[in-house]
Amino acid sequence: DQQVKQNSPSLSVQEGRISILNCDYTNSMFDYFLWYKKYPAEGPTFLISISSIKDKNEDGRFTVFLNKSAKHLSLHIVPSQPGDSAVYFCAARRNGQNFVFGPGTRLSVLP
Amino acid sequence: DAGVIQSPRHEVTEMGQEVTLRCKPISGHNSLFWYRQTMMRGLELLIYFNNNVPIDDSGMPEDRFSAKMPNASFSTLKIQPSEPRDSAVYFCASSLGVVSRTEQFFGPGTRLTVL
Repeated sequence: DQQVKQNSPSLSVQEGRISILNCDYTNSMFDYFLWYKKYPAEGPTFLISISSIKDKNEDGRFTVFLNKSAKHLSLHIVPSQPGDSAVYFCAARRNGQNFVFGPGTRLSVLP
Repeated sequence: DAGVIQSPRHEVTEMGQEVTLRCKPISGHNSLFWYRQTMMRGLELLIYFNNNVPIDDSGMPEDRFSAKMPNASFSTLKIQPSEPRDSAVYFCASSLGVVSRTEQFFGPGTRLTVL
């Protein structure tokens, strides 16, 4: 049973528009969340994180929102660029334990 | 810094053969993780080490899989005998601390194909 779900396997967005990637989790004890980005033939690289004491964290074009009551987080990319085309993994962790990764969402930003 | 180094990058083998994947973590990192990525299950944690000691191997699929970390700069993941369902991309990652809030740094992965 997956504790971290990314229900959209893929997403296509026009360049300049907003990309919204969603992630749902089942374990209410998760207290720290990460987004990773992965290009083909490369390992995942860290993108942005958020602690459960916050509901928003922003870093340039990337913003992560956390809704604890809904056990839902989302990654917003504004404006989207062709170089953002990649697979995005959501990961969640309970204090003292390792991260659990979602299956990933493939984002395609169309020029 | 060279980052996490994995070898080989690609491995094609026949069912029943032994496969050994190698990883060199980032110097100074004391935690090392082995992951497997498949289309169906995404990224799965197989095993992780802290200070060269295996801490949790509950993700290892079965006895055909084994991992070692003889020193702080080297780890192997071995599959013996290999089966077609083992075909996947295997990632090694390292970090400072196990429960730290810093991210893990991933290697480029080894794409394994078992025929």
